[in-house]
Amino acid sequence: DQQVKQNSPSLSVQEGRISILNCDYTNSMFDYFLWYKKYPAEGPTFLISISSIKDKNEDGRFTVFLNKSAKHLSLHIVPSQPGDSAVYFCAARAQIIFGKGTRLHILP
Amino acid sequence: DTEVTQTPKHLVMGMTNKKSLKCEQHMGHRAMYWYKQKAKKPPELMFVYSYEKLSINESVPSRFSPECPNSSLLNLHLHALQPEDSALYLCASSPGVPTLTAGYGYTFGSGTRLTVV
Repeated sequence: DQQVKQNSPSLSVQEGRISILNCDYTNSMFDYFLWYKKYPAEGPTFLISISSIKDKNEDGRFTVFLNKSAKHLSLHIVPSQPGDSAVYFCAARAQIIFGKGTRLHILP
Repeated sequence: DTEVTQTPKHLVMGMTNKKSLKCEQHMGHRAMYWYKQKAKKPPELMFVYSYEKLSINESVPSRFSPECPNSSLLNLHLHALQPEDSALYLCASSPGVPTLTAGYGYTFGSGTRLTVV
């Protein structure tokens, strides 16, 4: 079962307009989200990220919005340029899960 | 140097062959990763090395054997593969393994396109 879902396999946007790419996730333990861009015959390139303590992160033409209650994030590209044509991957990671701990006593 | 270099770029191997994929980075990154990507699918994590030690193995079959000889190199040894193992194999690195307070973007190589015949 996929925990990170991008339901739109493709999107067409006119040059100069806004591109909005959407991503949904199911695991509420995810605390960090990343967007990657991939051209054919190349590896994915890191684009922008957002921590779960924020709801928006902006870098130039790229803005990522996070809606934790809806478990939804989106990538906005404004204005869209021909060089933006690529496959965009949304990615997420979960925080480390801790046990309750063991107190160690060293006796003399 | 801000790249992750993977060799070879293309590899065709028979099911009885033994081959190795190589990955190299000189950015001082201490975490390195192997991903597998099938056509029209997202990359899937296979292995994570942190400070040259294997920290995550995502239930990958033993016919894939990773090795991290030093902090700049990551190998993936292949033996007795199946045709369904044909895919793009991507190597990535990051300054460290993401923690509660620090997330890192990964730098990916261009991949090795593997075909098993």
